[in-house]
Amino acid sequence: EAGVAQSPRYKIIEKRQSVAFWCNPISGHATLYWYQQILGQGPKLLIQFQNNGVVDDSQLPKDRFSAERLKGVDSTLKIQPAKLEDSAVYLCASSSRKVGNEQFFGPGTRLTVL
Amino acid sequence: ELKVEQNPLFLSMQEGKNYTIYCNYSTTSDRLYWYRQDPGKSLESLFVLLSNGAVKQEGRLMASLDTKARLSTLHITAAVHDLSATYFCAVDPSGGGADGLTFGKGTHLIIQP
Repeated sequence: EAGVAQSPRYKIIEKRQSVAFWCNPISGHATLYWYQQILGQGPKLLIQFQNNGVVDDSQLPKDRFSAERLKGVDSTLKIQPAKLEDSAVYLCASSSRKVGNEQFFGPGTRLTVL
Repeated sequence: ELKVEQNPLFLSMQEGKNYTIYCNYSTTSDRLYWYRQDPGKSLESLFVLLSNGAVKQEGRLMASLDTKARLSTLHITAAVHDLSATYFCAVDPSGGGADGLTFGKGTHLIIQP
C-alpha cells in the first residue's frame, strides 16, 4: 500500500512570494491533516479535512494560509504572501476509521523563506 | 487548551543503559501516540495507546499510559546507537481518534557507544 505522498520535497522562496504544497493521502483515507513543524518543535495542526469538508481550521492563519480538498482526495495548502516565520516543514497526514483512525504521515515539504 | 509536556527535552546516554521519557498532558484523553523522527525525515509511528493501563512493547522500547495521572512513559532498555532519534508523544484531545493531534516538543535522544 502506497503511503502519503507530498510534493515538492523542498522549496525556497523570498518573503512576500506565494507557494503551494500538494498532498495525496493513502487511498481510501477520508481524513486528511496538514501540520506545520518549526525546527526544534513538535508538529502543530493547521487544518483537518473530512472528505472535502473542513473539520478544524482554528489554528490556520487565514490571512495568508488557505487549503482545499475539492474532490475529497488530494489537497493543496497555499501561503500567500509568505513571511520569514513560515519557514518550517509542512507535513500531511491521513487516517481512516478502518485502521483505527491512526494517522500516517507523509515525508513533508521543507519550506525556507528568505 | 490542551498542553503536552515531554521530559527531558534532551538526553544523552550510553549504550546499554536504561532510561525513561515522560509525557504529561493537561486534559482527559484515552488515546496517546508515540512517534519517532530521524533527522530530515517524517514521523514514524511507534505505539498507539488506547486505554488506561495500556502497555505496548517493541524491541527495546516499551510505552505505557496512565489516563488518571495523564501520564505516558516511553522506556528504553539496554539502549543501542540505532535508537538515537527525536521521540514525540501526541495526544488526541477527543480520545476518539477523529481529531488532529497535539504534540509535545519532542525528546532529542543521543545514544553514545
